[in-house]
Amino acid sequence: DIVMTQSPLSLPVTPGEPASISCRSSQSLLHSSGFNYLHWYLQKPGQSPQLLISLGSHRASGVPDRFSGSGSGTDFTLRISRVEAEDVGVYYCMQALQKPTFGQGTKVEIK
Amino acid sequence: QVQLVQSGAEVKRPGSSVKVSCMASGGTFNSQAINWVRQAPGQGPEWMGGIIPILGKTDYAQKLQGRVTITTDESTTTAYMLLSSLRSADTAVYYCALVGVTGAFDLWGQGTMVIVSS
Repeated sequence: DIVMTQSPLSLPVTPGEPASISCRSSQSLLHSSGFNYLHWYLQKPGQSPQLLISLGSHRASGVPDRFSGSGSGTDFTLRISRVEAEDVGVYYCMQALQKPTFGQGTKVEIK
Repeated sequence: QVQLVQSGAEVKRPGSSVKVSCMASGGTFNSQAINWVRQAPGQGPEWMGGIIPILGKTDYAQKLQGRVTITTDESTTTAYMLLSSLRSADTAVYYCALVGVTGAFDLWGQGTMVIVSS
């Protein structure tokens, strides 16, 4: 199985400030198609996970443009340009190149 | 707008089985795959397996092989996940999710809590 490693595991943030989360995979997620099969999800408290970013950098429908994803191969980053209170929750990366596996999650909370 | 509506919470004895349903309300699965993911208390999500309804093709996580069965009904508006030989470690919230063309889980059900306890 491909192992996904996120850091940090906890991220206290100040509203209005930027934030970033790292995700590394044990194998390259770059497909022959040129796409990275890496997706980002946010699980707000008490809710199901929701898709934020697909294929490393494509925002899902309705996702604010303060969220962005970057990276290729084995190293990926999710950035929030200006954190808002509604962004709190646990962020997960997931690879879909092989049987899906998730990172441990990064808990984002307001300072 | 399609929504995935799952069946209600279950309490089961060790050794028994549980079957969770996932209905596509307001539409169908079409040619999209349905996957199942579970999340134990305080843990991250764990992929269990999936099915492509139009093909009837399934794929399962290695650690659950032989205990999990994913099916859909003929109309392809409801998917089912059957987990057998339950143990306390199977206590979790179980989610169904619709898979988009990118392989991302575009749409999730509301989750079904399954508690395994004697």
